[in-house]
Amino acid sequence: AQKITQTQPGMFVQEKEAVTLDCTYDTSDPSYGLFWYKQPSSGEMIFLIYQGSYDQQNATEGRYSLNFQKARKSANLVISASQLGDSAMYFCAMREGSWNQGGKLIFGQGTELSVKP
Amino acid sequence: DAGVTQSPTHLIKTRGQHVTLRCSPISGHKSVSWYQQVLGQGPQFIFQYYEKEERGRGNFPDRFSARQFPNYSSELNVNALLLGDSALYLCASTGRGATSYEQYFGPGTRLTVT
Repeated sequence: AQKITQTQPGMFVQEKEAVTLDCTYDTSDPSYGLFWYKQPSSGEMIFLIYQGSYDQQNATEGRYSLNFQKARKSANLVISASQLGDSAMYFCAMREGSWNQGGKLIFGQGTELSVKP
Repeated sequence: DAGVTQSPTHLIKTRGQHVTLRCSPISGHKSVSWYQQVLGQGPQFIFQYYEKEERGRGNFPDRFSARQFPNYSSELNVNALLLGDSALYLCASTGRGATSYEQYFGPGTRLTVT
């Protein structure tokens, strides 16, 4: 069963506009973490933002915010004021297990974002 | 501070050969994980090492092995290479971020098997 679902293979956004990238997840563990990474064409996975399952507030990091709706099991990434440099593949991931006991990230299929000038 | 480093950047091998990929984690990080990312897909977990012990293994054949050294650097070894092993291999180190433990990735090694 797919644990992380990203339903948007590709998205277009106009420069300076906001865009939302969707992510839904499935887990029965009450303790989990959700991550978003950006992967430019160079290949490096760049950490953007993290949301813990017990965090009361939605995470924010500069132009990135995470719209966390626990009951709906969704963790959408919102990018405000899009820039041309935001064009990349974006991955949603969920931590499964603890980091010192074989914990791992489970990734979705990714969403390719293209920012138009 | 230096990030996660990986070597080599690119590698071309032929079927049946063996390959060794190397990774150095961020200073102070004791956990290293390896992921395989084939074209068009998200990364898939291969191994996790913590304090030089294997703590987790993904659904990969025994041709894949790894180890972590006393300085916390790591090697990923793949024997009897197949065409399907062509992928970007990502190393990640785990450490305390602003609010929780976070996993930071290196630039990856792009392996092509011909």
